[in-house]
Amino acid sequence: RKEVEQDPGPFNVPEGATVAFNCTYSNSASQSFFWYRQDCRKEPKLLMSVYSSGNEDGRFTAQLNRASQYISLLIRDSKLSDSATYLCVVNQDGGATNKLIFGTGTLLAVQP
Amino acid sequence: DTEVTQTPKHLVMGMTNKKSLKCEQHMGHRAMYWYKQKAKKPPELMFVYSYEKLSINESVPSRFSPECPNSSLLNLHLHALQPEDSALYLCASSQTDREYEQFFGPGTRLTVL
Repeated sequence: RKEVEQDPGPFNVPEGATVAFNCTYSNSASQSFFWYRQDCRKEPKLLMSVYSSGNEDGRFTAQLNRASQYISLLIRDSKLSDSATYLCVVNQDGGATNKLIFGTGTLLAVQP
Repeated sequence: DTEVTQTPKHLVMGMTNKKSLKCEQHMGHRAMYWYKQKAKKPPELMFVYSYEKLSINESVPSRFSPECPNSSLLNLHLHALQPEDSALYLCASSQTDREYEQFFGPGTRLTVL
């Protein structure tokens, strides 16, 4: 089983749609979780950290389910500029070190 | 200033060349990282420096040699690389190696001929 698993997509959605991405992780000791976005041939940029209580930043909502080892990202009212690869990222060692494990990414294409 | 800078943006080198990649941050971060990313794959951790000391080497071949001259700078020295080492090399930094939000530089796209 991969340490961090994501559906690679692509997710092709129209502008204004709501889209959800899911991610599962294998290490139950993991303590920190993130969503990064990466545009083609660019560096990953931190989108948001994911907390147990769930968190929201504008159109983006992230949820964590520790019991199921599952993380989600919801994007509402999709914009063309949201088109990118979304990387689910998990701290591997339960806080002992800052080793981040990246999922393979989910490609989102928002269509006009 | 929340920026990590990397130079050069692009690098083409032969298998016998020696070159260096440079990374700089002025956020006062004390942990810095090198990642390698191949096309359509996620970044893979290579090295971690914490307070200017190498803390993690992910079994990277010795043809890659990292160096941290001071808390703002990170270098990656390259020697006798192979064509399969062609990739995007990303530098990142975080507050410390216990703070988990890492900020990435734009990367150096390396081609080994």
